[in-house]
Amino acid sequence: DAGITQSPRHKVTETGTPVTLRCHQTENHRYMYWYRQDPGHGLRLIHYSYGVKDTDKGEVSDGYSVSRSKTEDFLLTLESATSSQTSVYFCAIRAQGGGERGTEAFFGQGTRLTVV
Amino acid sequence: AQSVTQLDSQVPVFEEAPVELRCNYSSSVSVYLFWYVQYPNQGLQLLLKYLSGSTLVKGINGFEAEFNKSQTSFHLRKPSVHISDTAEYFCAVRPPAAGNKLTFGGGTRVLVKP
Repeated sequence: DAGITQSPRHKVTETGTPVTLRCHQTENHRYMYWYRQDPGHGLRLIHYSYGVKDTDKGEVSDGYSVSRSKTEDFLLTLESATSSQTSVYFCAIRAQGGGERGTEAFFGQGTRLTVV
Repeated sequence: AQSVTQLDSQVPVFEEAPVELRCNYSSSVSVYLFWYVQYPNQGLQLLLKYLSGSTLVKGINGFEAEFNKSQTSFHLRKPSVHISDTAEYFCAVRPPAAGNKLTFGGGTRVLVKP
């Protein structure tokens, strides 16, 4: 698991409620990412972070916000959940170093979110 | 921007038969290329990667892939599959610069039949 923990692993929530997903790493890696996985679309980047308090939008960021107040934690918030946000959410981390060390991304186990 | 196309959404294959999963990409800059595997209810695990050098790369579990720059392809192969290879496979690319992100294809679901 490369030291990545996602919580919760499963969640069912109602439309219109806020939801926060947590990604915790123990590797002290600089880069952290949130992806969503939907059939036929592979994984699509929602938001990413390149350091504490440094975040940026990915290709499907509408309706999501993120925060990174500590190196080890990257939070994804759905401000007002909608049914279109039902998905599996994956967190990934990547080291900063050049060469081999910085090339590989490691993924968490995923969070299955259902919005009813 | 980059894009990745996996040409087959599902590939059924019999046990001990060979399998090839096709991946084509589009990018205006050079990229690193990756294949990831996702077993049921699991996260993604790296199978192999191409960074530079030899165009034939070998990965875990007997998989290999060949980078073809002229055809912008990175097809994944295994000469003899096992039941345990049943999974979803994702091709991904990323420009080498430090801050760049992975772009994934839509995935290919491999079902190995006995």
